[in-house]
Amino acid sequence: RKEVEQDPGPFNVPEGATVAFNCTYSNSASQSFFWYRQDCRKEPKLLMSVYSSGNEDGRFTAQLNRASQYISLLIRDSKLSDSATYLCVVSDTGRRALTFGSGTRLQVQP
Amino acid sequence: DGGITQSPKYLFRKEGQNVTLSCEQNLNHDAMYWYRQDPGQGLRLIYYSQIVNDFQKGDIAEGYSVSREKKESFPLTVTSAQKNPTAFYLCASTRGLAGVNTGELFFGEGSRLTVL
Repeated sequence: RKEVEQDPGPFNVPEGATVAFNCTYSNSASQSFFWYRQDCRKEPKLLMSVYSSGNEDGRFTAQLNRASQYISLLIRDSKLSDSATYLCVVSDTGRRALTFGSGTRLQVQP
Repeated sequence: DGGITQSPKYLFRKEGQNVTLSCEQNLNHDAMYWYRQDPGQGLRLIYYSQIVNDFQKGDIAEGYSVSREKKESFPLTVTSAQKNPTAFYLCASTRGLAGVNTGELFFGEGSRLTVL
């Protein structure tokens, strides 16, 4: 079983749509969680952290359910510029490294 | 401006040859990492280093080697023992455990290796 699992997509949505991505992780000792964004053939960049109480950054909302070991990302009012791959990331404090999911590809269409 | 520089950006190599990918950072970060990404896949950890002169194997270290003689530099050698080396290689750095806890991993632009 992979440590971090995501639906690979692609998710094809029209501009203005709301879209949600999910992610599950296997290590119950994981402490920190993040969403990264990766544009085609580019390096990943941190989009936002995920807190237990849920957190919002503009059109983006992240949620964490520790009991179910489940993380989500909601994007409201999708823009063409949101088209990218979204990587679910979990900290591995034992190794002091980050473990990445395989990503969910989003394509926002005009 | 501070950042991470990877070179070369594109590299072609014949089977059986070793190749070294360069990674330099001027962020004064203690921890550095090498990840590999295959098409449609996430990042897999090859090697990491928390401090100068020390490094550990990640999940897919076989066929790779690294060194950490200077804080700023963490080169990766892809040896001929690596059976399927064609991939996108990403170097990253962070402040250490604090950086891992805040997710602040800074990446270079990557090196794309193709074995002919």
